[in-house]
Amino acid sequence: GNSVTQMEGPVTLSEEAFLTINCTYTATGYPSLFWYVQYPGEGLQLLLKATKADDKGSNKGFEATYRKETTSFHLEKGSVQVSDSAVYFCALSSNTGNQFYFGTGTSLTVIP
Amino acid sequence: EPEVTQTPSHQVTQMGQEVILRCVPISNHLYFYWYRQILGQKVEFLVSFYNNEISEKSEIFDDQFSVERPDGSNFTLKIRSTKLEDSAMYFCASSEARQGNTIYFGEGSWLTVV
Repeated sequence: GNSVTQMEGPVTLSEEAFLTINCTYTATGYPSLFWYVQYPGEGLQLLLKATKADDKGSNKGFEATYRKETTSFHLEKGSVQVSDSAVYFCALSSNTGNQFYFGTGTSLTVIP
Repeated sequence: EPEVTQTPSHQVTQMGQEVILRCVPISNHLYFYWYRQILGQKVEFLVSFYNNEISEKSEIFDDQFSVERPDGSNFTLKIRSTKLEDSAMYFCASSEARQGNTIYFGEGSWLTVV
């Protein structure tokens, strides 16, 4: 079946620190992979995506590379800001269906 | 930028009451979804809808739930007789196509059943 396993939180970092949030997946077929972000009091917003192996998604300084060999899609940012404080969700969309499968979410707090 | 809009943003209802959550998907999108997120838990798929019918649903989406597209713009989720465990944030979403296409979420409707 399809599932996403995401690094447990919460994560607290100082401003300008390096961020990694791990995400691994199990899927049938060839999924597309996504990171969504949920800022306090808001809905889910697409952060970045990758649709095939070795693709790198990037946005707002965040990056994630679709690694088929390790079934991973880890989120990274070189220098986090206070405004990056949010909950981050890894998700996959299988090419055999039209639903998304989400990880449990990782809460990130960045302190000045 | 076009967005998915949801109403109400927050609703409190008594157990056993019917609730309707409303959504206006992005106008040129063809696929519509409902997801829910119980506090502190993962976002769960409820149902997808295409061409005026349900295309996929999860085991959560039992007979108490129904969806409808009553006109060309609205997409509704009805819970017939709410239970305490239905308390959650309900997200509507839409996409242009299926199979890997990005889905765009609304800001959610927070339902509290008391």
